[in-house]
Amino acid sequence: QVQLQESGPGLVKPSETLSLSCAVSGDSISSKNWWSWVRQAPGKGLEWIGEVFNSGKTYYNPSLKSRVTISVDKSKNQFSLNLSSVTAADTAVYYCARYKSADTFDYWGKGALVIVSS
Amino acid sequence: QSVLTQPPSVSGAPGQRVTISCTGSSSNIGAGYDVNWYQQLPGTAPKVLIYGNTNRPSGVPDRFSGSMSGASASLAISGLQAEDEADYFCQSYDSTLRVVFGGGTKVTVL
Repeated sequence: QVQLQESGPGLVKPSETLSLSCAVSGDSISSKNWWSWVRQAPGKGLEWIGEVFNSGKTYYNPSLKSRVTISVDKSKNQFSLNLSSVTAADTAVYYCARYKSADTFDYWGKGALVIVSS
Repeated sequence: QSVLTQPPSVSGAPGQRVTISCTGSSSNIGAGYDVNWYQQLPGTAPKVLIYGNTNRPSGVPDRFSGSMSGASASLAISGLQAEDEADYFCQSYDSTLRVVFGGGTKVTVL
């Protein structure tokens, strides 16, 4: 059974960098899947942030591209999200998910609420 | 403003059939890319309900079905049950944006 677990600070100050990690179990980060981040602002819909392959190749949402970095750590079987220069608009539940064969988000983490506030 | 357009809400009585539409464009659904549907129960992460337009993962009741027509997709729920009350999102590949979601539809069981 594939499981994903987000971790990281729940509170980030405006203008700082939001950093989250996603630990993967039941699958190898080196498998033929992409690993993604999706967020959901309070009461809003889902917004794709970006994804990474085990080679380090990435794709990002154009609206966030200038502030986002997603990377993999094969030694820890996890991947990470950095979002810089955050504002209150970045307050959301952040989900990590497996993007199977770059087609379907088939496994999701439980989500991590990140609040941007001073 | 989501790239894929869904109605904000639909409702139905127990046992009824409801449908949720998902309208895209020539860069996503209209280009022939597959549509997936996700169910999000209150306070939980989304779960894949339909993948590849019409396929149900193991464990998903056959009351849920997906269909396609041109640049649109639809999710139908037959025999609506109280436990189906949730938010539903469509998702597809987009040739410009890579991954796009619908804005979500809240299903209410009357």
